[in-house]
Amino acid sequence: QVQLVQSGSELKKPGASVKVSCKASGYTFTTYALNWVRLAPGQGLEYMGWIHTNTGKPTYAQGFAGRFVFSLDTSVTTAYLQISSLKAEDTAVYFCARTLYGGHTTDFMDVWGQGTTVTVSS
Amino acid sequence: SYELTQPPSVSVSPGQTASITCSGDKLGDKYACWYQQKPGQSPVLVIFEDSKRPSGIPERFSGSNSGNTATLTISGTQAMDEADYYCQAWDSRIAVFGGGTKLTVL
Repeated sequence: QVQLVQSGSELKKPGASVKVSCKASGYTFTTYALNWVRLAPGQGLEYMGWIHTNTGKPTYAQGFAGRFVFSLDTSVTTAYLQISSLKAEDTAVYFCARTLYGGHTTDFMDVWGQGTTVTVSS
Repeated sequence: SYELTQPPSVSVSPGQTASITCSGDKLGDKYACWYQQKPGQSPVLVIFEDSKRPSGIPERFSGSNSGNTATLTISGTQAMDEADYYCQAWDSRIAVFGGGTKLTVL
């Protein structure tokens, strides 16, 4: 079946880095874009951006360029989110989700990963 | 930047109709999606392209979008529908989520 399986929870200290993985299965990986969304405690869903799985080109939402990097390894149908110089306010659940086109007006996120909890604390 | 505004909370009695609104500048010129999220779970797509239901989503979920407002309607609301609901649209190839609405069924 179609699924996105994410890596497990992470506990990191401020200033450290973390890499979250999102492994796709059950469909042709390069047919769909992959998006990243976070849910911070007490907040709503926040869109981080998406990556084109054919070209590897990332598109970042405002506020997510710089410390946040999207990447791919198509050989293992996996997308990655790396966050550097972690801050306490990065504490959140991070989700990956697929869309058919990538940023298109008719796009919708029909399959989601289970989420990865990243906790930043000293 | 583009913004979508939702009421923070909506309450409904079981069996009644719940309506959740989502407002944005000329939102009717875009397509709206709706996601349901229960505590500790991933979001689930319940409406796409304003009014279409994905396979497996009950018929009691419907959507509309016109002018500056998109609306998610849940007819015959059930206790299992209690969740946070988020609207979403695209602007300049970036997704925008509304702030979310907590639906309470009481």
